[in-house]
Amino acid sequence: GQNIDQPTEMTATEGAIVQINCTYQTSGFNGLFWYQQHAGEAPTFLSYNVLDGLEEKGRFSSFLSRSKGYSYLLLKELQMKDSASYLCAASDSNYQLIWGAGTKLIIKP
Amino acid sequence: IAGITQAPTSQILAAGRRMTLRCTQDMRHNAMYWYRQDLGLGLRLIHYSNTAGTTGKGEVPDGYSVSRANTDDFPLTLASAVPSQTSVYFCASSDSTEVGTPTDTQYFGPGTRLTVL
Repeated sequence: GQNIDQPTEMTATEGAIVQINCTYQTSGFNGLFWYQQHAGEAPTFLSYNVLDGLEEKGRFSSFLSRSKGYSYLLLKELQMKDSASYLCAASDSNYQLIWGAGTKLIIKP
Repeated sequence: IAGITQAPTSQILAAGRRMTLRCTQDMRHNAMYWYRQDLGLGLRLIHYSNTAGTTGKGEVPDGYSVSRANTDDFPLTLASAVPSQTSVYFCASSDSTEVGTPTDTQYFGPGTRLTVL
């Protein structure tokens, strides 16, 4: 079956760095998405990886290893506004997105 | 409008009633999706439409129907609501003319919170 695993909750300190991991098993693979979702709001797009390696976008970076079925989202210089859930989603052979349950990130001052 | 709008924002519904959730986008995206989001679970695809005039079933289609008469609108209908359909419903769209590329990114509406009693 198809499956996405990511930690349920993580806590980090303002100004620090945090890495949110995601492992996936899908029928075919056409890329890995990361979305941010603040409480009570809609998910918003953060990043997309289809090739192995690191994609950097400001304070956020995303990494993909296709051979390991693994991705991570790296958040640097954490700010209180980064408190949110982070959703990992893999695109399968039919280009449908398979979603993880999300990682709730709590930032402490 | 800019982006995707959904209506209503929230609704409390008696079991057995019929309900249509509305979704409209003004980005001229050809693909649209309906998801439900429940606590502790990932977003689950209910139905999708790759282009106006076509629809497909997602992971959890039972009890729901959709139509896609034009590019902009993609309503979701619950024919006879049941308490297990209590959820937050998100509509999304993507410009999937080039599937598997960043242009296939899905953009979400603000959601409808539905409670079925």
